[in-house]
Amino acid sequence: GQQLNQSPQSMFIQEGEDVSMNCTSSSIFNTWLWYKQDPGEGPVLLIALYKAGELTSNGRLTAQFGITRKDSFLNISASIPSDVGIYFCAGPLNFGNEKLTFGTGTRLTIIP
Amino acid sequence: GAGVSQSPRYKVAKRGQDVALRCDPISGHVSLFWYQQALGQGPEFLTYFQNEAQLDKSGLPSDRFFAERPEGSVSTLKIQRTQQEDSAVYLCASSRVVGEQFFGPGTRLTVL
Repeated sequence: GQQLNQSPQSMFIQEGEDVSMNCTSSSIFNTWLWYKQDPGEGPVLLIALYKAGELTSNGRLTAQFGITRKDSFLNISASIPSDVGIYFCAGPLNFGNEKLTFGTGTRLTIIP
Repeated sequence: GAGVSQSPRYKVAKRGQDVALRCDPISGHVSLFWYQQALGQGPEFLTYFQNEAQLDKSGLPSDRFFAERPEGSVSTLKIQRTQQEDSAVYLCASSRVVGEQFFGPGTRLTVL
């Protein structure tokens, strides 16, 4: 079952607003990944984090690897319509095993 | 280069029918993964390969599910005697670097 909790579950924002979402776990992760999934498509990798405390940006996206290694957040600045979708955090739960555990997802909707 | 491709994109099967889902990973990617995604949920791990070796199949729900990657490239996920609860999107991912998995568009399986 899921071991990564994401919040909020859904967000309704206006275009141009900044967005913040996070992911928490009761277990330690050594890698955090953030994916975006559009309807009918597979998840697309946005940002990968490998070190506790690491802050990484990809355009308007910024993600941080929590210092406790049990959480991560993703920020989106100046949202645009194509940001709509479901955002998942994910990571390999067990060291040495590459299989990913995914979070529960945050659904982002932009209100016209 | 080309991303991960999957075929068919959609499959409708009658209960009890066998199905085979194909995944073509990104060229040169050593690791290949299969995930199952139920509606409104995050992907759940099924199995993964490193080259032709199946290193973890702990996520396969029953012995009706079987995956192979005989030459370390293309992989096939086979489901025998399909049941309605097998209806889901089946996602394939490949990776060259531990952690960064790139997903295909998925195969949506509907069992009637």
